[in-house]
Amino acid sequence: GQNIDQPTEMTATEGAIVQINCTYQTSGFNGLFWYQQHAGEAPTFLSYNVLDGLEEKGRFSSFLSRSKGYSYLLLKELQMKDSASYLCAVRGLNTNAGKSTFGDGTTLTVKP
Amino acid sequence: EAQVTQNPRYLITVTGKKLTVTCSQNMNHEYMSWYRQDPGLGLRQIYYSMNVEVTDKGDVPEGYKVSRKEKRNFPLILESPSPNQTSLYFCASSLQGGTYEQYFGPGTRLTVT
Repeated sequence: GQNIDQPTEMTATEGAIVQINCTYQTSGFNGLFWYQQHAGEAPTFLSYNVLDGLEEKGRFSSFLSRSKGYSYLLLKELQMKDSASYLCAVRGLNTNAGKSTFGDGTTLTVKP
Repeated sequence: EAQVTQNPRYLITVTGKKLTVTCSQNMNHEYMSWYRQDPGLGLRQIYYSMNVEVTDKGDVPEGYKVSRKEKRNFPLILESPSPNQTSLYFCASSLQGGTYEQYFGPGTRLTVT
């Protein structure tokens, strides 16, 4: 099975950097995904890691360590519009390639 | 425009009255999935489909049915809805299962009284 843990809430200041952590226990997975979800809206894809290391996409970066069961999403130069929930998710492997497990999400509040 | 559409967006119904929530994607994706989202419980997978005529259970399939007769459509059927199925439902699709990101529909807010 798969279990994903994320902090429930975080607060940060506009212009700052914030790191949202995700730890997981899984028997194997295809990739680790990060999604952003604004209140009342659908999740949208942010970033994806399949190998260990850092993936950078503009103001957003995501890191994965498979040996430690750990990932983080790094948001730089925070803007008010970054206030949202951030979901960590894994997709299954082989016969479980259709399975998708999400963490409960981290609600980020950006303050002026 | 590439998108996943769901209908209806909002639905209030009564216990036991069969309903169907439609989901359609125009991206020629092989994989489609249904999730429900409840406060404090995150997104939980109900059913998924790896391709036409191939469906399988997710983590919370009880009380739901699905079918995948065409590549673009993946309806969610509640044969006898109950109040504990009151939730926000999302349909999603991806090119394939496994390593591809999912694209989500706008959501269907269902209330069962």
